[in-house]
Amino acid sequence: NAGVTQTPKFQVLKTGQSMTLQCAQDMNHNSMYWYRQDPGMGLRLIYYSASEGTTDKGEVPNGYNVSRLNKREFSLRLESAAPSQTSVYFCASSIGTSGTETQYFGPGTRLTVT
Amino acid sequence: GQQVMQIPQYQHVQEGEDFTTYCNSSTTLSNIQWYKQRPGGHPVFLIQLVKSGEVKKQKRLTFQFGEAKKNSSLHITATQTTDVGTYFCAGITGQGAQKLVFGQGTRLTINP
Repeated sequence: NAGVTQTPKFQVLKTGQSMTLQCAQDMNHNSMYWYRQDPGMGLRLIYYSASEGTTDKGEVPNGYNVSRLNKREFSLRLESAAPSQTSVYFCASSIGTSGTETQYFGPGTRLTVT
Repeated sequence: GQQVMQIPQYQHVQEGEDFTTYCNSSTTLSNIQWYKQRPGGHPVFLIQLVKSGEVKKQKRLTFQFGEAKKNSSLHITATQTTDVGTYFCAGITGQGAQKLVFGQGTRLTINP
């Protein structure tokens, strides 16, 4: 039981390049989330998905797109990376659909945009 | 939107000293959760508080939820080097689309 897994662990992009961050969970959770973590800013919600087939914007969605591929997988895409998107990205999941349950986090992806 | 403010941002203590971090919300919270993130790691759930005035303990950690459900605190007694990390509170307003809103975190460092 791996919990929440994320790939890649590290990535360096040039401005304007695109990439997709992958996230998968094997806990049969309904909700999945993408956060970014910047120094002094805590965790800010980018997008979330309360169930398969649904996605909603969080606090900082601009510059990102998401896909809930199936119940297990939730990907985050940067279409044209910018230096302001340099951050640590965490995927998380929770069992219910209300968004209020305990969240289980993946190990994170450290992204640098030059 | 809803904000959850957490203070202090940083705290450095000598091993054995106590530590407290505070979390305040501009709106009433339906519940509050606490997470710990070790350096280089990911947030890990510690506890959830739901009731007004609730106090819960986990060994040397004491969590409180205010009577008005607008504030919360985490107190660590006699810190140990294993307590190093960043502690986050996360609140839910219970209004409209419910999502956890995380505080900025308190980074705890300890001098052994």
